[in-house]
Amino acid sequence: DARVTQTPRHKVTEMGQEVTMRCQPILGHNTVFWYRQTMMQGLELLAYFRNRAPLDDSGMPKDRFSAEMPDATLATLKIQPSEPRDSAVYFCASGSPGTGVTDTQYFGPGTRLTVL
Amino acid sequence: GESVGLHLPTLSVQEGDNSIINCAYSNSASDYFIWYKQESGKGPQFIIDIRSNMDKRQGQRVTVLLNKTVKHLSLQIAATQPGDSAVYFCAEVPGGGNKLTFGTGTQLKVEL
Repeated sequence: DARVTQTPRHKVTEMGQEVTMRCQPILGHNTVFWYRQTMMQGLELLAYFRNRAPLDDSGMPKDRFSAEMPDATLATLKIQPSEPRDSAVYFCASGSPGTGVTDTQYFGPGTRLTVL
Repeated sequence: GESVGLHLPTLSVQEGDNSIINCAYSNSASDYFIWYKQESGKGPQFIIDIRSNMDKRQGQRVTVLLNKTVKHLSLQIAATQPGDSAVYFCAEVPGGGNKLTFGTGTQLKVEL
């Protein structure tokens, strides 16, 4: 049963610390998306990649957030330095080959981040 | 994952009844729409999609209706089951664009 995996599932850290979240997309999927979910803002797209190249990261605070795909099996989202307002659940999704964001997106279980 | 929380609109239905969840979208240029289901502690799960050249699409126990005139989308769930209890999100993609924008979600509660 192919699925998107994310690590860690939970992360508690102190303000100012670096946080790295990892995602393994479904094998063969060529698009990867990062979302953030909060009670106030709901689900927001932060960035997405196609064939490992970043296509859109306009939803991501550039000064502290960075997203990369070192290889086809790993996507990372890094926050440095972290702030309490970054507390949220971060989801990764991967899409089946096709036309970009209109691919069916399969979501991972999320990383719940708490910044104290 | 997390359900979005305390201030979501809530729909309560009896097991076996049909459920209708509504969504108003904002962008008249959107040409692709998706419904997602999110159970507590999990990520959103794709349910059904529809393109703007269609008014209706049916899946297994689910039907999506699209009214472009009033920019309204609905999800109908037939014979609602306890396992349908979740938060349901609609999402839209603007024509020629590439971002999936989610609505705020509706909490569906199925009462036995």
